[in-house]
Amino acid sequence: GNSVTQMEGPVTLSEEAFLTINCTYTATGYPSLFWYVQYPGEGLQLLLKATKADDKGSNKGFEATYRKETTSFHLEKGSVQVSDSAVYFCALNDPAGGDSSYKLIFGSGTRLLVRP
Amino acid sequence: EAQVTQNPRYLITVTGKKLTVTCSQNMNHEYMSWYRQDPGLGLRQIYYSMNVEVTDKGDVPEGYKVSRKEKRNFPLILESPSPNQTSLYFCASSLRGQVYEQYFGPGTRLTVT
Repeated sequence: GNSVTQMEGPVTLSEEAFLTINCTYTATGYPSLFWYVQYPGEGLQLLLKATKADDKGSNKGFEATYRKETTSFHLEKGSVQVSDSAVYFCALNDPAGGDSSYKLIFGSGTRLLVRP
Repeated sequence: EAQVTQNPRYLITVTGKKLTVTCSQNMNHEYMSWYRQDPGLGLRQIYYSMNVEVTDKGDVPEGYKVSRKEKRNFPLILESPSPNQTSLYFCASSLRGQVYEQYFGPGTRLTVT
């Protein structure tokens, strides 16, 4: 079945440091991939997406590239800010997966803490 | 303002006392879903609904019920809560054809003693 694996957190960085949060997936079809972000005390919100291999999703300085050969979708940001402190979830949706096309499969989440 | 609202935001209850968590969205979305979030497990889907009067089980439906009598509302019912249902619950909604872009409510933190 479909699944998503994320690196364990927390990830603690100083402001302006480079960020990478690893995400790998297992899927039987050709999934679309997403990163969601959860700021403290709030619900999740979509950060970026990629719907096919080699697509790069980007938003708010974050980027992730859909790598089919390594089944990965790592999240990166060149210079993090304190305001980026949040929990980041990698997720997939298999649009051709029958009943599972109506589901988002989430990873366990990675907490990012950025210190001033 | 487009939003998903949940009530209550915090709830402490005792084992066996029936409770309902309400969820409402004002975006005319067909799809609505309930998740629970537990440390180390991420979000797991409890139930979802593709439209009025259409509901289906997610990955962890045991101990929960839902109903979808109106498009905007999707309440989560715990008929006989148990301590293992202590969790953070999220309601979400989306357009039927854009399930990947779900709008989440602020969450309900439930403690069952």
